[in-house]
Parts: sequence; structure tokens; C-alpha cells
Amino acid sequence: SYELTQPPSVSVSPGQTARITCSGDALPKKYAYWYQQKSGQAPVLVIYEDSKRPSGIPERFSGSSSGTMATLTISGAQVEDEADYYCYSTDGSGNQGVFGGGTKLTVL
Amino acid sequence: QLQLQESGPGLVKPSETLSLTCTVSGGSISNKSYYWGWIRQPPGKGLEWIGSIYYSGSTSYNASLKSRVTISVDTSKNQFSLKLSSVTAADTAVYYCARRNRDGYNWYFDLWGRGTLVTVSS
Repeated sequence: SYELTQPPSVSVSPGQTARITCSGDALPKKYAYWYQQKSGQAPVLVIYEDSKRPSGIPERFSGSSSGTMATLTISGAQVEDEADYYCYSTDGSGNQGVFGGGTKLTVL
Repeated sequence: QLQLQESGPGLVKPSETLSLTCTVSGGSISNKSYYWGWIRQPPGKGLEWIGSIYYSGSTSYNASLKSRVTISVDTSKNQFSLKLSSVTAADTAVYYCARRNRDGYNWYFDLWGRGTLVTVSS
């Protein structure tokens, strides 16, 4: 079955740039999406179609994708950005939805 | 503003069937631009897509759960439902319902319910 691989954790100081990666064999052909999940809350879409930002998401959130790796970048990370982040995509056939294992972002 | 709300028993016995309903408010489940889906998250673990349904009744399921999952839609009530049979403790999770875009190749969930915890225990 198709897998998306993320680092378990990333840690930055406030104001620094946080980068979270997601690798998957189908990413050269498929879009990556990113969700933010704060403790006890439902996931929120922060990036769609590799690099687009939904309305209401701060500009410090950006996304990119190259080859088999997609990257979520938080420029000038703030304490309130501390959360779990999940990448998501579909498999090569488009029939299965797959989430990465999640990355815990610590900002302190 | 469209909202989704999960409902159903919070406790299910092993080997029984888990049943949940998602009620869509502020919009029509028959909107041709969207599918609807279920995602779950075991305590302390990651997200897992369960399946999706279109208002017409067309479904797609996670291959690893397909033998136990049924998703149905009731357009008259603006609801869709999840049934998961033969549950075990491994099915204990927060279950989310969500809205999915219609694209058949690059699809994703853009709006989620708050989730409901279902515990499998005798």
C-alpha cells in the first residue's frame, strides 16, 4: 500500500522558519495537502494542491513540492503554530486517500 | 456556513457493528461539487481515511477496511452514515466526517466535523 513519510518531530524557536517534509513515490504526479491539528481539535487544511493557501490561513504558511518530496514551510513560526501537521495525498491510481504519519511541531 | 456533526454511540462491544451518522447543515449534501467522507484517529496516533460517498450513492473505501465498511447517504435527511462491522479494540478512535472535493484524481477533505470518540470495549 502507498505510504507518505514525515519526520516525527520538528522543533524551532519563535520567529524561526520551520520546515516539515513529506516523501512519497507518487508525489511527482499527485498534489500534496497539509493539515494542522491542535491538541483536542479537528484537523484544519492549511495548504492544498502543493502550494495554495485557503482563505484565513496566515501568509507565513507556504508549501512546495519537488520530485518525491513535498515541504510545508512556516516562516517566522509562532507559539500558536505548535501542533501536529499531517501531509495527505492520493495513491497513484487516485482510488485511495493516504495520510502521512504526522509531525509534531514544537515552537519554544 | 456549512457544518458537519457526527453522532452515535460512544461505546461499542467487541464483534458488534459501529454505527455513526454525520449531519450536514448550512448546505445540501446533494451539491454536485462534493463528496463526503469518514476519517478516523486512534488515541495518540495518526489519521486514517475510511471511505467516501457521493450523493448518488457511489462509494470508495480504504482497501484495508473495505470488507467491514459500509457508507450510505440519506439525501432527505441531509445525512450520511458509517457502519463498521466486527469491531475490535483496534477500532477505538475519534471518528471524523468531512467534505471532499469532487476531483476523481486529486481529492482531499476541506471541511471537517469536530469528531466523536468511539471506544470498543466490553
